[in-house]
Amino acid sequence: RKEVEQDPGPFNVPEGATVAFNCTYSNSASQSFFWYRQDCRKEPKLLMSVYSSGNEDGRFTAQLNRASQYISLLIRDSKLSDSATYLCVVASNQAGTALIFGKGTTLSVSS
Amino acid sequence: NAGVTQTPKFQVLKTGQSMTLQCAQDMNHEYMSWYRQDPGMGLRLIHYSVGAGITDQGEVPNGYNVSRSTTEDFPLRLLSAAPSQTSVYFCASSYSAPTGASNEQFFGPGTRLTVL
Repeated sequence: RKEVEQDPGPFNVPEGATVAFNCTYSNSASQSFFWYRQDCRKEPKLLMSVYSSGNEDGRFTAQLNRASQYISLLIRDSKLSDSATYLCVVASNQAGTALIFGKGTTLSVSS
Repeated sequence: NAGVTQTPKFQVLKTGQSMTLQCAQDMNHEYMSWYRQDPGMGLRLIHYSVGAGITDQGEVPNGYNVSRSTTEDFPLRLLSAAPSQTSVYFCASSYSAPTGASNEQFFGPGTRLTVL
């Protein structure tokens, strides 16, 4: 089983739609989780950290289920500017010094 | 602040050549790292450093060397380039180990390397 797995998509949705991405991780000792966003041929940028209790940042909501080793990202009211690849990221050791990236899920929002 | 800078942006090498990819940050970050990104593979950690004089291996270190003589710079050296090292290389830095919301990892714009 790969350390961090994501559905590659692509997800093609209209503006205003709600879309959810899922991610599973294999290391049950992982303590830190993130979602990064990467635009085509650009560097990744932190979208949000994922906390045990779940957290929200505007239209974005992240959830963590430690028992199932599962992370999700929900995007509400999708905008054209949300079109990008979303990377699920897990710290591979307890010190958090090494991050493992999923392959990414591609989202395309159309008008 | 320039953030994280990488040079060169593009490079073509022949098999067996060596070269150094440069990475610098002006944010006084202790933690720096190098990743490679290949189609369908996601980003993979090559080497990382938690401070000047300290480096460690990541997931795919073979064929690469790093050093960290200053806080600002973290060069990646390809010892003898191979076609399998054709990739996009990203350098990243954060204040400390990239855990927690306060330790956002900032990436450079990348170096696109082709090895013939």
